[in-house]
Amino acid sequence: QSALTQPPSASGSPGQSVTISCTGTSSDVGPYNFVSWYQQHPGKAPKLIIYHVTKRPSGVPDRFSGSKSGNTASLTVSGLQAEDEADYYCSSFANSNTWVFGGGTKVTVL
Amino acid sequence: QVHLVQSGTEMKKPGASVRVSCKASGYTFTGRYIHWVRQAPGQGLEWVGRIIPASGDTIYAQSLQGRVTMTSDTSISTGYMDLSRLTSDDSAIYYCATDGGHHDFDDWGQGTLVTVSS
Repeated sequence: QSALTQPPSASGSPGQSVTISCTGTSSDVGPYNFVSWYQQHPGKAPKLIIYHVTKRPSGVPDRFSGSKSGNTASLTVSGLQAEDEADYYCSSFANSNTWVFGGGTKVTVL
Repeated sequence: QVHLVQSGTEMKKPGASVRVSCKASGYTFTGRYIHWVRQAPGQGLEWVGRIIPASGDTIYAQSLQGRVTMTSDTSISTGYMDLSRLTSDDSAIYYCATDGGHHDFDDWGQGTLVTVSS
């Protein structure tokens, strides 16, 4: 199970948008709409912010949105705020009933 | 409200085994899967495996097959992860997380730091 590929870093000014890609394969992201995204602040446990590619759990601001095309999923954070500065991880259900994470992307709010 | 409380910090020597527990509350314990995820210092998340408490069915990451065992005790709503033949590469924070059927990790425990050092 190889990790999904994410850019190591992304940044934007307050109010701007940032998009993070998550590239997998035909064994994980491609065939399944079970991509989820997690936000992790330093020293804290991850928090689910997107599931089933595009859905937001209750309480997650609509500034967070997800999409998928082929083997690549994306997370967009619109209207960046200072509290959005964190590490973001994608995850996908994969063949053989396993799960795989991306390497993580550090988002900096300039 | 789902609440997962994990056991405390562990320090182990290479070759030893460790058990981490995860006590659940706020939902029907047999109604969700429990996953274990680990994070080495300064590194990303790694899926370790999953147990279905209702049946005891487990599946593990290939990289840990043969060394990891997940169990659960439905009478006390607690899941366990045992990892044997520890090496320094196993030093990490270990998290438990629930999956309510969406193939994701809905709620997370606070994490348990496991340090392996001679």
